[in-house]
Amino acid sequence: AQSVTQLDSQVPVFEEAPVELRCNYSSSVSVYLFWYVQYPNQGLQLLLKYLSGSTLVKGINGFEAEFNKSQTSFHLRKPSVHISDTAEYFCAVTHLSSGSARQLTFGSGTQLTVLP
Amino acid sequence: DTAVSQTPKYLVTQMGNDKSIKCEQNLGHDTMYWYKQDSKKFLKIMFSYNNKELIINETVPNRFSPKSPDKAHLNLHINSLELGDSAVYFCASTTGGLGTEAFFGQGTRLTVV
Repeated sequence: AQSVTQLDSQVPVFEEAPVELRCNYSSSVSVYLFWYVQYPNQGLQLLLKYLSGSTLVKGINGFEAEFNKSQTSFHLRKPSVHISDTAEYFCAVTHLSSGSARQLTFGSGTQLTVLP
Repeated sequence: DTAVSQTPKYLVTQMGNDKSIKCEQNLGHDTMYWYKQDSKKFLKIMFSYNNKELIINETVPNRFSPKSPDKAHLNLHINSLELGDSAVYFCASTTGGLGTEAFFGQGTRLTVV
């Protein structure tokens, strides 16, 4: 079984400040990791994903995340946030032994609120 | 063109009623899902279909029944609706290997009164 923990349920930050949203996972097998963003009253949109290779992954809208296997973490970062980044952010994991049963296990989400 | 579309976007209904939510994807994906998002924004998988075959069926009341008439459609039927069924339901689809992303619909906000 796998699980995802997002340590912060709410993160307020001022515009143009840097932000880090934390995500830790647990799994007995190797995993693929994802960050999704959900804007108000909308569906989820992929920000970035880690499959293999370089542990620093760059995504859309200036976001990046770093996979740390020893710490089982996949924290999301942005050096300078905008008001438009205000949204709910979800970390998710799927693991390699799923076979045809590919499913995402989501964290509980982090509400990022960018203040003017 | 909308990749994954759900209808209706909003659904308000009384307890005890039976309702359906429709989902269609035009991405050519072979796997479709239903997720439930509760009032605390927590997302949990309900069902998954691969090529019209049910492959994931999480602990969900049997009042919920998915139906996949073809690879591009996965509908969700809910019988005898209860107050606790109020949530946002998301349809999603994927293809290929485990590393491919899931594409989500806009969600259906179900309110049972």
